[in-house]
Amino acid sequence: KAGVTQTPRYLIKTRGQQVTLSCSPISGHRSVSWYQQTPGQGLQFLFEYFSETQRNKGNFPGRFSGRQFSNSRSEMNVSTLELGDSALYLCASSLDTGGLNTEAFFGQGTRLTVV
Amino acid sequence: AQSVTQLDSQVPVFEEAPVELRCNYSSSVSVYLFWYVQYPNQGLQLLLKYLSGSTLVKGINGFEAEFNKSQTSFHLRKPSVHISDTAEYFCAVNMDSSYKLIFGSGTRLLVRP
Repeated sequence: KAGVTQTPRYLIKTRGQQVTLSCSPISGHRSVSWYQQTPGQGLQFLFEYFSETQRNKGNFPGRFSGRQFSNSRSEMNVSTLELGDSALYLCASSLDTGGLNTEAFFGQGTRLTVV
Repeated sequence: AQSVTQLDSQVPVFEEAPVELRCNYSSSVSVYLFWYVQYPNQGLQLLLKYLSGSTLVKGINGFEAEFNKSQTSFHLRKPSVHISDTAEYFCAVNMDSSYKLIFGSGTRLLVRP
């Protein structure tokens, strides 16, 4: 069974540009969450999608957005990149059988560097 | 505000020695608790989870953790560590019906020969 796949693994962008990251969840998983990991702030929740609907959103500016497609694949977009957006972006998928306790499986992440 | 505190940023230990990584959380409601491990340039892998029932939870790679509701703690333990256990360990909670995990700041376990 394939795990969570994130593409690309590495990205270098210039300040002011925008970027789109992709996440393919484990087959059958309908919930996809995104997290930002930085040395200073640690792991922070960005947003979570289920059946193409955003169910919850973290405390990030509107430059951070996401979406989920009918096949559960998800993308996140960051517009007008800032140096502080440099981070490891992690995607996690869950089976979500209706409870909150389903295990989150993480991808290897996309490391974004803004120069 | 809900939070998770990992008291130690780094824990050095010799191979085959026991180790405990500490985690405390703040919440007035029921919680689900998790420990994840992250190896360099990798994502997070679940070690173990507490959902309900027995307060002693056993996970992969010989790790276990004990949920203590009165002390709001969920410390991770292993009786004998290996060099390969060197990694960053994160404690996380899900506590407010929001389908999100709140992570601690992480503890770097450094196993020395």
